[in-house]
Amino acid sequence: DIQMTQSPSSLSASVGDRVTITCRASQSISTYLNWYQQKPGKAPNLLIYAASSLQGGVPSRFSGSGSGTDFTLSISSLQPEDFATYYCQQSYSNPRTFGQGTKVEIK
Amino acid sequence: QVQLVQSGAEVKKPGASVKVSCKASGYTFTSYYMHWVRQAPGQGLEWMGIFNPSGDSTTYSQKFQGRVTMTRDTSTSTVFMDLSSLRSEDTAVYYCAREGNGNYYSFDHWGQGTLVTVSS
Repeated sequence: DIQMTQSPSSLSASVGDRVTITCRASQSISTYLNWYQQKPGKAPNLLIYAASSLQGGVPSRFSGSGSGTDFTLSISSLQPEDFATYYCQQSYSNPRTFGQGTKVEIK
Repeated sequence: QVQLVQSGAEVKKPGASVKVSCKASGYTFTSYYMHWVRQAPGQGLEWMGIFNPSGDSTTYSQKFQGRVTMTRDTSTSTVFMDLSSLRSEDTAVYYCAREGNGNYYSFDHWGQGTLVTVSS
């Protein structure tokens, strides 16, 4: 199985800050990497697919990059509605493993 | 618009089985794979398996092999996830999620989740 490791596990940031979350795969997954946002009590929501493609309707302040084993999710200017937990996921092979999540909290 | 509507919360005793449904609408049911993902309280997302509604084929996570069964009813555009021999560690919210086409197999739509509580 491909292991996905996110860092940090949590972070505190202020509105307007730039935030970066990293995700590392245990083997190369090309660009088969997706990012989801989850708010408390809600289902996850797809933000980024194929490492850097923005899902329709997702604000342009979100961006993704990387290939192979190392990936990043960036939020250029954090907004109040962005405080949530973020998960990376590989879709290269089954089982479709997720990272452990990064909780973005208000400083 | 695409919608995945899941069945309601369940409370089960250890050793019992649970069957969660996921009714799809707003798209051609047989054209998209469906996944099941669960989330234990306060924990992360765990993939359980993938189901092909057009051909009934499945791939299950090794962790759930032998305990999980995924099926469909094409007449109602509904997929089902059956989990047997329940234990307390199976207490979680269970989600169905559609795998999109042309977006690197990501999960572009999710059900609202079904809470399954396993308690004696």
